[in-house]
Amino acid sequence: NAGVTQTPKFRILKIGQSMTLQCTQDMNHNYMYWYRQDPGMGLKLIYYSVGAGITDKGEVPNGYNVSRSTTEDFPLRLELAAPSQTSVYFCAISGQGNQPQHFGDGTRLSIL
Amino acid sequence: DQQVKQNSPSLSVQEGRISILNCDYTNSMFDYFLWYKKYPAEGPTFLISISSIKDKNEDGRFTVFLNKSAKHLSLHIVPSQPGDSAVYFCAAMDAGNMLTFGGGTRLMVKP
Repeated sequence: NAGVTQTPKFRILKIGQSMTLQCTQDMNHNYMYWYRQDPGMGLKLIYYSVGAGITDKGEVPNGYNVSRSTTEDFPLRLELAAPSQTSVYFCAISGQGNQPQHFGDGTRLSIL
Repeated sequence: DQQVKQNSPSLSVQEGRISILNCDYTNSMFDYFLWYKKYPAEGPTFLISISSIKDKNEDGRFTVFLNKSAKHLSLHIVPSQPGDSAVYFCAAMDAGNMLTFGGGTRLMVKP
């Protein structure tokens, strides 16, 4: 999906480890979002940002942190990985809040 | 409690026939609805949307219908093609511009 780059694509963590999921966009969109998708479930919003320096909690923020120091980057941090955080993580962007969101290809994270 | 539900986890359709994917919602404050298509190992891709002030929106082979009184929307694909095989997510947007997703329906179009 052009415009939104997520790294890494796959990662295995041990319980208690920390890591940062990277999301970078080249479309100069103000709105950025982090979702998680569990097997057989829809996407759930973790955090979102309406512009550089502004972040807000979504539906499932516990165990995660974000920052938005630039328009382009919106990293998601897991401080103390837990098995319940095993999921596929998607970053999305939109130009305005009421426009369709465009997604990256996701990061598949397993915590063992 | 799920505010957006896709009650059919999977659907199998013959190539050339119509595919109908359904979605129900409970929150009457949703005012914009979207369908996304997702292939394995890729992110969801926006397909088509509809505002709550309309009851139908068409884009090529894809048509979305909205029945506000029933809190129900559906996606029609005519004719269905093997390349349409994917997981389809329904999503609803509230006044705060936040999306709530359904659990998805896996569509399989058989040649």
